[in-house]
Amino acid sequence: NAGVTQTPKFRILKIGQSMTLQCTQDMNHNYMYWYRQDPGMGLKLIYYSVGAGITDKGEVPNGYNVSRSTTEDFPLRLELAAPSQTSVYFCASRSQDSYEQYFGPGTRLTVT
Amino acid sequence: AQTVTQSQPEMSVQEAETVTLSCTYDTSENNYYLFWYKQPPSRQMILVIRQEAYKQQNATENRFSVNFQKAAKSFSLKISDSQLGDTAMYFCAFGETSGSRLTFGEGTQLTVNP
Repeated sequence: NAGVTQTPKFRILKIGQSMTLQCTQDMNHNYMYWYRQDPGMGLKLIYYSVGAGITDKGEVPNGYNVSRSTTEDFPLRLELAAPSQTSVYFCASRSQDSYEQYFGPGTRLTVT
Repeated sequence: AQTVTQSQPEMSVQEAETVTLSCTYDTSENNYYLFWYKQPPSRQMILVIRQEAYKQQNATENRFSVNFQKAAKSFSLKISDSQLGDTAMYFCAFGETSGSRLTFGEGTQLTVNP
């Protein structure tokens, strides 16, 4: 199994550009999450989903949007990128029965 | 809101020695889970160990063990026989059984010296 995959691995955006970070899991997990990790810091929850068609805001949702049209995919959309969104973004998933989250390898995003 | 505090931003240990990383949390819940994740320089988040609050027995995974003190809301990680590959950032995380989310601490950077 591939687990949780994220694309791209790296990206440089100019201020005001938009992009979508892709996340896919092949474990049939209901729950999926997006986090950001700023340098030297812990993980902050951006958005999460408890199943297809259901999403909810985390601690730091401003400037981001998500959708969950399938169980497998949970893309994160950045509109009008700002330097404050320079960070490493992690996607994670878990099953209904287990509380441990499985993480993707991360996407390093730089906005200049 | 739940909070997770890791009071040691950085720690170091000599290879083959034992080190303990601290974590405290704040919650009014009675049922919850606690985790330690490891993040090596590769950035991959790796689950090290988990503890269910309803279990009195401390979890162990090979060289990794926890000291779970529910009344004190403390969840420390002990690494025995430290290895160079243990060098990483370690995050403590808390999750309610009634909720969907994990709350992470700010992390402890552990360096194992040869």
